[in-house]
Amino acid sequence: EPEVTQTPSHQVTQMGQEVILRCVPISNHLYFYWYRQILGQKVEFLVSFYNNEISEKSEIFDDQFSVERPDGSNFTLKIRSTKLEDSAMYFCASSEISPGNTIYFGEGSWLTVV
Amino acid sequence: AQSVTQLGSHVSVSEGALVLLRCNYSSSVPPYLFWYVQYPNQGLQLLLKYTSAATLVKGINGFEAEFKKSETSFHLTKPSAHMSDAAEYFCAVSGGNSGTYKYIFGTGTRLKVLA
Repeated sequence: EPEVTQTPSHQVTQMGQEVILRCVPISNHLYFYWYRQILGQKVEFLVSFYNNEISEKSEIFDDQFSVERPDGSNFTLKIRSTKLEDSAMYFCASSEISPGNTIYFGEGSWLTVV
Repeated sequence: AQSVTQLGSHVSVSEGALVLLRCNYSSSVPPYLFWYVQYPNQGLQLLLKYTSAATLVKGINGFEAEFKKSETSFHLTKPSAHMSDAAEYFCAVSGGNSGTYKYIFGTGTRLKVLA
């Protein structure tokens, strides 16, 4: 079964450093997402991406965050200057374009900022 | 704004007992509704979804959920709990008022199964 793959599975970084989380969405999907889950809390929407541009973003997704699809397969989330509160599990996801279609999630990238 | 509410952050049931996890949504237009399961240190796996077809939806691992518009609910049930069902369960909503594809998740319910 096709799946969303994420790298790295776990990254430890120092506060203020830049981090790039990488994702390979399912190949025929057109909508891409990043969600995050702070330990013990709910899964929160960060951003959705369609047709090479951001289609929607939450208030969490401020200027320190950016997304990019650098080639035909990868989808990345960049955090420019990490803060302690950015420590969380980051999930990449993808879906087909129709409303109600299932969003498929990757296994997550656990980011620890120290 | 569209939202889902999951009553009970922790639910404990005995092995073999009925599992009932509650989810209520807020939307004046029937949305799409989903249940996901998250096992420890793993990602989110779709259990089942409602997309305006049958109101009783059957999913994987013996779970099912019923969409009740009059109650704005989409509760998850399983007739007989198994130890392997211990996990966190998230209800999610999309579409409806928001008209978007993104999911809004509830706060989750951690299911504990007692031997």
